[in-house]
Amino acid sequence: DVKVTQSSRYLVKRTGEKVFLECVQDMDHENMFWYRQDPGLGLRLIYFSYDVKMKEKGDIPEGYSVSREKKERFSLILESASTNQTSMYLCASNTGLRGNQPQHFGDGTRLSIL
Amino acid sequence: DAKTTQPPSMDCAEGRAANLPCNHSTISGNEYVYWYRQIHSQGPQYIIHGLKNNETNEMASLIITEDRKSSTLILPHATLRDTAVYYCIVPHGSFQKLVFGTGTRLLVSP
Repeated sequence: DVKVTQSSRYLVKRTGEKVFLECVQDMDHENMFWYRQDPGLGLRLIYFSYDVKMKEKGDIPEGYSVSREKKERFSLILESASTNQTSMYLCASNTGLRGNQPQHFGDGTRLSIL
Repeated sequence: DAKTTQPPSMDCAEGRAANLPCNHSTISGNEYVYWYRQIHSQGPQYIIHGLKNNETNEMASLIITEDRKSSTLILPHATLRDTAVYYCIVPHGSFQKLVFGTGTRLLVSP
């Protein structure tokens, strides 16, 4: 089974802090994604990576950056956390070698910015 | 981009089949339909996907109409643990990003 592991289930940080969310997948997938999920707004793509050191902006990249130094790990960074970044953050991955393969998700990190 | 429409909620008795419908009338010829579910406070779980043929796996069956404008997810013997929000999705764009709508909240009762 595909395993996508997010480092924390719950996280509380303060406004202005630099926050790191980590995601690791064990299926040698090329593609990795970061989404946030908010009530009434559904799932929104923040960033996407299709290879090591490669990244593409999603729909809402402002205030975020990402890092992919190794194939299995994709990190989301909140440069200076703000209260409007309180949300559920979801990491996903899939293979890029064959088209139309499903994305597999981690359990999410529920982040609160105080 | 294909938009999907699902009923907001459905009920099912434990042990019975749950049939969850989805309309995707603007789907393009090469776009797949995916089904995910999300149990409260957990990440979305992939269930099944298909293009035009019916599909079955250990979790569910997917029936796609011949014109591909709608599909039905079938959970053959629903259990209490199948209570969740079910999302029907047609990914779009070069990144194949997932856009979850409001989904169908399925309640399985004893």
